[in-house]
Amino acid sequence: DVKVTQSSRYLVKRTGEKVFLECVQDMDHENMFWYRQDPGLGLRLIYFSYDVKMKEKGDIPEGYSVSREKKERFSLILESASTNQTSMYLCASNTRQGPRNTIYFGEGSWLTVV
Amino acid sequence: GIQVEQSPPDLILQEGANSTLRCNFSDSVNNLQWFHQNPWGQLINLFYIPSGTKQNGRLSATTVATERYSLLYISSSQTTDSGVYFCAVDKAAGNKLTFGGGTRVLVKP
Repeated sequence: DVKVTQSSRYLVKRTGEKVFLECVQDMDHENMFWYRQDPGLGLRLIYFSYDVKMKEKGDIPEGYSVSREKKERFSLILESASTNQTSMYLCASNTRQGPRNTIYFGEGSWLTVV
Repeated sequence: GIQVEQSPPDLILQEGANSTLRCNFSDSVNNLQWFHQNPWGQLINLFYIPSGTKQNGRLSATTVATERYSLLYISSSQTTDSGVYFCAVDKAAGNKLTFGGGTRVLVKP
């Protein structure tokens, strides 16, 4: 089974702190994604990566950056956390190979910025 | 960008009831997926269905691509069906999904 693992399930950080959210997938997928989920808004794409060291902005990249130094690992970085970044963050991965691009999600990281 | 609207936003069902969830999208798509998010936050892919009809147990889905909508059917609902159902689409082959706002389903025993 595909496994996408997010390192932290619940975090509480202070305004202005630098925050790292880590994600690891074990299926050798080329693509990895970071979404945030807010009530009533569904999931919104922050960044995605289609290869090591490659990244593209999603719909809401402001205030975030990402790092992909190894194929299996994709990190989301909040350079200076703010209260409006309190949210649930979901990592996902999929492959470009084959006829279907089913996407697999991690369990989510609940971030509270105080 | 493409807009995705789901209806209804909330649905309360008695166990054993049937229901239909709808997803409308504003442009042609090459990828459409339905997901279920359980109460603990885990998102599971239910269907990859850019067109046509598929069935998996008590769940089935139909996408009419020419009319830009998809339907998810839940039959004989169970309490384990509770959660949020999301529809997500992409104009391309499927790397950057745009999600709808979800339908929150509560199945009462």
